Amino acid sequence: DGGITQSPKYLFRKEGQNVTLSCEQNLNHDAMYWYRQDPGQGLRLIYYSQIVNDFQKGDIAEGYSVSREKKESFPLTVTSAQKNPTAFYLCASSVMTSGYTDTQYFGPGTRLTVL
Amino acid sequence: AQKVTQAQTEISVVEKEDVTLDCVYETRDTTYYLFWYKQPPSGELVFLIRRNSFDEQNEISGRYSWNFQKSTSSFNFTITASQVVDSAVYFCALRDGAGGTSYGKLTFGQGTILTVHP
Repeated sequence: DGGITQSPKYLFRKEGQNVTLSCEQNLNHDAMYWYRQDPGQGLRLIYYSQIVNDFQKGDIAEGYSVSREKKESFPLTVTSAQKNPTAFYLCASSVMTSGYTDTQYFGPGTRLTVL
Repeated sequence: AQKVTQAQTEISVVEKEDVTLDCVYETRDTTYYLFWYKQPPSGELVFLIRRNSFDEQNEISGRYSWNFQKSTSSFNFTITASQVVDSAVYFCALRDGAGGTSYGKLTFGQGTILTVHP
């Protein structure tokens, strides 16, 4: 089955630690995205990538880093510089059509809690 | 700047009632796309519909229907004969088109929490 997988589902982090969230897709989509969702709020874009080895900052990139070494994978690292990392993180992907991104499809999410 | 407003933070209905979720958007683009997503308690966002700015036809899919009105910048979502399984958070989103950033940023509303009681 084609889809987007995220792991782990739940992640606990101590203050001062870096953690990496995994996102994999087998939809052959070109573009991938990371969003953050806080309780009662909409989604905010952290980073996005349209092609391998290239990515761009979104609205709230500070304290996060990404890599895109393979088309299928777009891991997100939450660094110790992120002041309030407790949130629900969603990964998405989409095809590129005529240079523009098409409908975004989402993974099941990772809930990160800082202890 | 793009903006999406979902004025209803929470809606509570009894099963079999019809319910309409409102979405109002702002954009300077002439070409744009509107979306609705459903987020059940499991957390994953499920894509429901995409509508482009040139197509104002209403759409019906089973118990779901969407009313797009450019004149009022609204893209409302109606669930007919609601069921308990419809309980979720529903997000409206706007993506810019040719006039915006090349990748097409998706701007989300705050979401509407729908609770359907048996």
